[in-house]
Amino acid sequence: QVQLQESGPGLVKPSQTLSLTCTVSGGSISSGSYYWSWIRQPAGKGLEWIGRIYTSGSTNYNPSLKSRVTISVDTSKNQFSLKLSSVTAADTAVYYCARETMVYEDYFDYWGQGTLVTVSS
Amino acid sequence: DIQMTQSPSSLSASVGDRVTITCQASQDISNYLNWYQQKPGKAPKLLIYDASNLETGVPSRFSGSGSGTDFTFTISSLQPEDIATYYCQQYDNLPVTFGQGTRLEIK
Repeated sequence: QVQLQESGPGLVKPSQTLSLTCTVSGGSISSGSYYWSWIRQPAGKGLEWIGRIYTSGSTNYNPSLKSRVTISVDTSKNQFSLKLSSVTAADTAVYYCARETMVYEDYFDYWGQGTLVTVSS
Repeated sequence: DIQMTQSPSSLSASVGDRVTITCQASQDISNYLNWYQQKPGKAPKLLIYDASNLETGVPSRFSGSGSGTDFTFTISSLQPEDIATYYCQQYDNLPVTFGQGTRLEIK
C-alpha cells in the first residue's frame, strides 16, 4: 500500500521560502507511470494544484505560481520536495502531496494527510 | 485555465435521498474528469475517474456521467457517512483545476 507523508516547518515568515518534503513508502517513486504532485488548500476553500514532477525530473507548474515554485525529486530517498519562495499570508494553507497515476486515465489516487503551513511573522 | 463550476455550493439532504451534483467546464474536456470526496480534516479521496468509472472499493451508490462540458455526480441513496465536500477535477489541460466544491450535509 503506497503511503505519502508530508514534512516541514509549520510556520514560515513572510518573504521567506516555504520548504516541504513528501516521503513515499510502500513503493518506489521511480516505478510506474506516475507524476508526483503538490496541491494546497487554504482553510475553508478549494483545492489548488501547485505542480508536479516525473521521476526523470521533468516538471510542470501552475502558471499562477510558476515564478516562485520549484519541485525536485530525490529517488535515492524516495522523496520529492516543494519550495515556494517569497511567501505571503495568501500562501497559508494545508499542503498535500499526491501521486498522479497516468496510464490511460489520469487521477490523484494516493494523498498524504496534509500539513498546515502558516505564513506569519 | 479551464474553469470548473460546481452546483450547488452546498446541499442538505436526508438519509436515503438521491443526491445530484453538477460540474460544468469552461470548455470541452471530453471525459477527462474526476470526482473526489473530502471529509473534514482529511485528504481528498478519489471516487470516480474518467467521468463515469468507479474507483476500486468505492460503493456502487456513487456514480458519474457526462462528457464535453457538463457532468453529473450522483449518490443514489445518501448514507450518513457520505457527509463531506465533493470536488470535480479536470485533467484535459494543465494546470489541473478543481471545482469549488459542494458541501453535503444531512437534513
